[in-house]
Amino acid sequence: GAGVSQSPSNKVTEKGKDVELRCDPISGHTALYWYRQSLGQGLEFLIYFQGNSAPDKSGLPSDRFSAERTGGSVSTLTIQRTQQEDSAVYLCASSLEASGSYNEQFFGPGTRLTVL
Amino acid sequence: GDSVTQMEGPVTLSEEAFLTINCTYTATGYPSLFWYVQYPGEGLQLLLKATKADDKGSNKGFEATYRKETTSFHLEKGSVQVSDSAVYFCALSSTSGGSYIPTFGRGTSLIVHP
Repeated sequence: GAGVSQSPSNKVTEKGKDVELRCDPISGHTALYWYRQSLGQGLEFLIYFQGNSAPDKSGLPSDRFSAERTGGSVSTLTIQRTQQEDSAVYLCASSLEASGSYNEQFFGPGTRLTVL
Repeated sequence: GDSVTQMEGPVTLSEEAFLTINCTYTATGYPSLFWYVQYPGEGLQLLLKATKADDKGSNKGFEATYRKETTSFHLEKGSVQVSDSAVYFCALSSTSGGSYIPTFGRGTSLIVHP
């Protein structure tokens, strides 16, 4: 079956521009996670959704970052007024649910964002 | 807060060599522990997991044992192959608050030469 997909795979933008990154989770997965992977760093948790609600937004680095999820499916991560330090690979993952016993996370291939 | 520390890479081995990638953690309560693998150009995949002390996770010849006394979850493989070349991430998932937000280490790159 189809895995988690992300688009675009690569995005080059100029400092100050807004960008939108998209994640399509596995069908039926109610939980969706966004992470950021910077060069030489581990995965930095950004936000997760259970259904369409985001119980934990604590990882968002600044108010320039926002995310939404509609219909319990597709999610969009928006970065406004991008800065060079936003350059990273943005990873999306989904799982059956986010609470109760641990459910394996399935990751997408990521979006590589470069801010010039 | 929770944290995961894993050995820095790259780890460079010849085919059929023994592999150990060290991972230690700090967490409150009783976390679940995981190893994920990221092959070049792909997303992370769960390699193995252990949910309680003394559990051993295993998959594809890789093993790791949940050691509560040493707060460790070292990854081992008896004989690596070129196809094992990838980045390996140790992670924990805390049960705090009822939701599972994993904490990941920085990753360890493994390069296996023929």
